[in-house]
Amino acid sequence: AQTVTQSQPEMSVQEAETVTLSCTYDTSENNYYLFWYKQPPSRQMILVIRQEAYKQQNATENRFSVNFQKAAKSFSLKISDSQLGDTAMYFCAFTPGTASKLTFGTGTRLQVTL
Amino acid sequence: NAGVTQTPKFQVLKTGQSMTLQCAQDMNHEYMSWYRQDPGMGLRLIHYSVGAGITDQGEVPNGYNVSRSTTEDFPLRLLSAAPSQTSVYFCASSYRLAGGLEQYFGPGTRLTVT
Repeated sequence: AQTVTQSQPEMSVQEAETVTLSCTYDTSENNYYLFWYKQPPSRQMILVIRQEAYKQQNATENRFSVNFQKAAKSFSLKISDSQLGDTAMYFCAFTPGTASKLTFGTGTRLQVTL
Repeated sequence: NAGVTQTPKFQVLKTGQSMTLQCAQDMNHEYMSWYRQDPGMGLRLIHYSVGAGITDQGEVPNGYNVSRSTTEDFPLRLLSAAPSQTSVYFCASSYRLAGGLEQYFGPGTRLTVT
């Protein structure tokens, strides 16, 4: 079975600063995918970024990037130039390569302040 | 496209009552699933379906039934509601069963069982 661990229940960052959210996972799969989802106060789940385990290059999406360390089973999310709209709950998630069943971490609540 | 829709948005039930949470998607997605979100526990998979007529259990299936008679609809039934089923429920869909595909989430249903 897979497990996903987010060890930071809450974080705070000032506007325009950079913040990194941590995620570790455990799996025996060789082929898998990792995701970061954002859940703002509206409750909607929004995909932020996706990483394929067999790709060594770290994924980036505008201000969002990941640091994927496969050997260490670590998948952190870096948010650059933080904006007030980034205030949300962030979930790290995992799927095996052949299945769509997401395993989520417990989430990190990020507050962006002025 | 409306994407993934869920009804109702909010519901209050008494212990022992039954109800159905509705989920529909208009993207012709094969894969649909139900998650529940509880404080401090992230999202957990209840049931999923890989196509019309095919369903399977997820991580926390007890107390819930599903069926999939059409590609578009995937209702979740609570046969005898219990306070432990107080949660936010999300329906999600993706094009097919494959680990790397983006899953599209509905807006969620907040259910309270008293």
